[in-house]
Amino acid sequence: ETGVTQTPRHLVMGMTNKKSLKCEQHLGHNAMYWYKQSAKKPLELMFVYNFKEQTENNSVPSRFSPECPNSSHLFLHLHTLQPEDSALYLCASSPGTGMPYGYTFGSGTRLTIV
Amino acid sequence: SQELEQSPQSLIVQEGKNLTINCTSSKTLYGLYWYKQKYGEGLIFLMMLQKGGEEKSHEKITAKLDEKKQQSSLHITASQPSHAGIYLCGAVPNSGNTPLVFGKGTRLSVIA
Repeated sequence: ETGVTQTPRHLVMGMTNKKSLKCEQHLGHNAMYWYKQSAKKPLELMFVYNFKEQTENNSVPSRFSPECPNSSHLFLHLHTLQPEDSALYLCASSPGTGMPYGYTFGSGTRLTIV
Repeated sequence: SQELEQSPQSLIVQEGKNLTINCTSSKTLYGLYWYKQKYGEGLIFLMMLQKGGEEKSHEKITAKLDEKKQQSSLHITASQPSHAGIYLCGAVPNSGNTPLVFGKGTRLSVIA
């Protein structure tokens, strides 16, 4: 256990469904991140929250909607996804957003769109 | 935007052999992180390098940072099956508060 917990670990959903991914950390970190990992591609940054405020949206389609109700919780709401959205979604947290803060990652949610 | 190129993309080594993985940046490195990932799992932090010429070791894994070459290397001595996984490098793309960018990873297999 890294201290960052993601649920569910696996999710299969149809293109018309609505679901949410959850990330929780009790490390006292102030920054939280969503990354997408697809085969043979670098990790793609999706969203960054610092002190509950969204500081970066990396041109992510609106079918992905993040929510950060407090510094310990981060959600990714999904609706009308496409097959190319199938990937491993990783949540990470860090004490702050600059160096030398490394990131602590969760185990990820494997998302499959059918 | 900054890109990190990792080489090789994949590597198969016999148990007990040494190996090196490289991470080369397209721009100035302000810090470099190494992570290890088991298939389908999250990333586990290995080491962070901040200064040129810096070298760190953890058990049988050593990482070095060459600022001039904008490159970092990860060296594993006497590889074991437990070293198998995907190794990813991550870097801060500038001197400010910018999220980490990552390479595509190097998949390491260790065979008996």
